[in-house]
This record gives sequence, structure tokens and C-alpha cells, in this order.
Amino acid sequence: EAGVAQSPRYKIIEKRQSVAFWCNPISGHATLYWYQQILGQGPKLLIQFQNNGVVDDSQLPKDRFSAERLKGVDSTLKIQPAKLEDSAVYLCASSLEPQNTIYFGEGSWLTVV
Amino acid sequence: AQSVSQHNHHVILSEAASLELGCNYSYGGTVNLFWYVQYPGQHLQLLLKYFSGDPLVKGIKGFEAEFIKSKFSFNLRKPSVQWSDTAEYFCAVTGTNAGKSTFGDGTTLTVKP
Repeated sequence: EAGVAQSPRYKIIEKRQSVAFWCNPISGHATLYWYQQILGQGPKLLIQFQNNGVVDDSQLPKDRFSAERLKGVDSTLKIQPAKLEDSAVYLCASSLEPQNTIYFGEGSWLTVV
Repeated sequence: AQSVSQHNHHVILSEAASLELGCNYSYGGTVNLFWYVQYPGQHLQLLLKYFSGDPLVKGIKGFEAEFIKSKFSFNLRKPSVQWSDTAEYFCAVTGTNAGKSTFGDGTTLTVKP
């Protein structure tokens, strides 16, 4: 079974530039998550989709972050403009349903300089 | 608000020592409980989970965890650790109503050969 795919794996950008991350969840998984993980901390939920609808985006900095899930499958997370404090690993994950096991991708490492 | 607290940030053990990692949560409803593990260079993956029934659950690689409802705890244990258990361990709680998952900040386990 193919896992959660993410790209790019690594990205270095200057502050005020923009960046986009792509995610392809496990086939058949209705729930898709984007987490931000800063070094030394646990994953923090940015946004949760159920099919192509947003379930929770309460911790998404909406002035600079946006996310969409096209046709209830792939998803894109965009940051514009980036700040130094956005340096983190961005984890995409999926699950069959919100209450069940979450399957993570390998993460996209972002460094903002 | 939902929260998860992991008491130990970094644990160092010798091989064959016993392990117990603490996890306490705060949530005003029914929860599903998880331990995830991240081995060096790998993505986060499920170690074990508790949904209902026997509060003592067994996971992969000899790990087990006990749910104590009265203490809001879900501690992870292993009788005898191996060098290959060196990893970061995350406790997570998912509310069964809203399906929102919250992660602790993780415990880094280093096992010395």
C-alpha cells in the first residue's frame, strides 16, 4: 500500500518569499491533515479536511497560510509571505476517518532565511 | 481545550533496562489514545492505540500502554529496551466527537548499547 506522498522534501527560501507544498494521501482516506512541527515540539494541527471540506483551521495563520484539497484527494499548502518563524517541518497526514489512526508522510522541511 | 502532556523530554537508558514514558491528557469527553514513534530518518508511525475495551493494549516491538481513566493517563511501557528503540515517541489524543487530534511534545529515547 502506498503511503502519504509529499513534495518537495526540502526547501530553502528567503523571508517574504512564497512556497507551496503538495500532498497525496493514502487512497480512500477521507481525512487529510497538515501539521507544522517545530524542532523540539510535537506536531501542531494547521488544517484538517474531511473530503474537500475544511473541518478545523483554527490554528492556521490565515493572513499568510492557505490550503486547499482539490476534488477531495490531493492537497496544497501555501505560505505567502514566509517569515523566519515558519521554519519547520510540514507534515501531511491522512486517515480513513478523523477518530482513527493517522498515517504521516515524510514531511517537507522548510528553512526561511 | 484539549491538551497532552508528556513528562519526560529526554530519556537515556542502557539496553535491557525497563522503560516507562508518561502521558497525561486533558479533554472533556471520550477519547481515542495513541502512541506514535519516529525512528531516526523515518516518518511518524503508529506504535499502538486504545479505543475501548481492555485498558492494557499491546503494540509493535513489545511495547504496551495502559489507559487509566481516573488519572487521564496513557503511559507507555517496555520491559527491556533495545538499541533499536532509540527514537522519538509522541502521545496523541483524539476526541471521538469532533475527531480533533492533539499531540504531546514528544520524548526522545536514547538507548545505549
